[in-house]
Amino acid sequence: SQQGEEDPQALSIQEGENATMNCSYKTSINNLQWYRQNSGRGLVHLILIRSNEREKHSGRLRVTLDTSKKSSSLLITASRAADTASYFCATDGSGNTGKLIFGQGTTLQVKP
Amino acid sequence: EAQVTQNPRYLITVTGKKLTVTCSQNMNHEYMSWYRQDPGLGLRQIYYSMNVEVTDKGDVPEGYKVSRKEKRNFPLILESPSPNQTSLYFCASCHLGYEQYFGPGTRLTVT
Repeated sequence: SQQGEEDPQALSIQEGENATMNCSYKTSINNLQWYRQNSGRGLVHLILIRSNEREKHSGRLRVTLDTSKKSSSLLITASRAADTASYFCATDGSGNTGKLIFGQGTTLQVKP
Repeated sequence: EAQVTQNPRYLITVTGKKLTVTCSQNMNHEYMSWYRQDPGLGLRQIYYSMNVEVTDKGDVPEGYKVSRKEKRNFPLILESPSPNQTSLYFCASCHLGYEQYFGPGTRLTVT
């Protein structure tokens, strides 16, 4: 079952602009993770945010988590053409099974 | 280098011919998992393993088998592949509660 839902499904911006992607989920979680996937390739982990955290930064990435609204956002600042990829959020659910439930993803295109 | 490897990367086979996709990790992770990725359906978990000799079904286990005889390896077995198992497969591993590391993927076509 798909727990996370990303919004928008597709996003096209110019290089240098910021990109914001949102994720909503349904059940309580221990943590939420964001991954990037270049076309047909493996997923690369970006950020993990735990349920007791509200915001986390990594380089040009900023992730927020609102557990009351069961939502998260990923902000990429000063985007580059190399950021073109699909971005997925994944939640682990409240049990400690390690299982990740992925959303459908946001396809980001950054035009040079 | 810390990594998850999968082999083969590409495979075209025929219906009913048993195949195995290997997965190996060098990070001493206790947790390993297999996912398949299909257009419009996203990533779905097939099987997972919490440790050696401990495996369990994910969301779409039908038609697949796994084994975990060693900590580093977690092969995915298709005893009798069918065309609806044509997909992109990913193996992943992690320490429980931490980020998962994904392999490069195996693109399987069953004709």
